[in-house]
Amino acid sequence: QSVLTQPPSASGTPGQRVTISCSGNSSNIGSNWVYWYQQFPGTAPKLLIYRSYQRPSGVPDRFSGSKSGTSASLAISGLRSEEEADYYCAVWDDSLTAWVFGGGTKLTVL
Amino acid sequence: EVQLVESGGGLVQPGGSLKLSCATSGFTFRDSTMHWVRQASGKGLEWVGRIREKAYNYATAYGASVKGRFTIYRDDSKKTAYLQMNSLISEDTAVYYCTDDFYWGQGTLVTVSS
Repeated sequence: QSVLTQPPSASGTPGQRVTISCSGNSSNIGSNWVYWYQQFPGTAPKLLIYRSYQRPSGVPDRFSGSKSGTSASLAISGLRSEEEADYYCAVWDDSLTAWVFGGGTKLTVL
Repeated sequence: EVQLVESGGGLVQPGGSLKLSCATSGFTFRDSTMHWVRQASGKGLEWVGRIREKAYNYATAYGASVKGRFTIYRDDSKKTAYLQMNSLISEDTAVYYCTDDFYWGQGTLVTVSS
C-alpha cells in the first residue's frame, strides 16, 4: 500500500491529452515538491518533472506538472506511442521522514 | 555528461552482507543529497534511504523495511555513495538504483537466495 495513490493504469490514443493523478496528504504533497518519473521496462527511471512544475532540459513541453493541495497531476498532451511506459510520482514525506513513491501508473497508447 | 554507475550487486545468501557503490561524475556530488531506490521484479519503486550533504552533517534516513540493517555513507573525495546491506532477506532481492533525485544510475541487481 503506497503512501501516494496513483491509478494503476491509464490510456489514450495518439495525439490525445492524458492526465495521471497522484494523491497524498498534508505531510507530503501538501508541503513538498512533487517529482514525476518515466520508466521503460528494464531501464532506469527518467526525471520528467521536478519541483512540481519544472521540466528538465530535453523534456518536451508536452509534459506538464501541476499541484493543488494534497494532489498532483502529470499531463501529457499530443500523446505519442513511444510514451507507453510506467509513470511514478514521488515526494518527501515530513511525517515519515522518507521519500515516498506512488505505486506507478502504466500508460497504454491505444 | 552526468554519470552515476552502481556496482557491487550479485548473489548473496540469506543473512549475508553486500556493499553497493555509486560512482558519480559530471555534477557537484559534494552538494547533493544521494538516495538509494530499489525495484523488485515487476514491482514499483521503493525508497531505501538517503544521505544528505556535508552542510546537513551527512544526515541519513532509511525506509522502514531496511532500517537497522542497511547503512548509507559517502566519500565526497571519491564522489561515491555506498549502501552497506546486512542481514539480507529474500525480500531485499531487487535492482538497486542510486539517484540525486534528478539523475539515476543504471542499477545493479541484488539477489538474495540460498
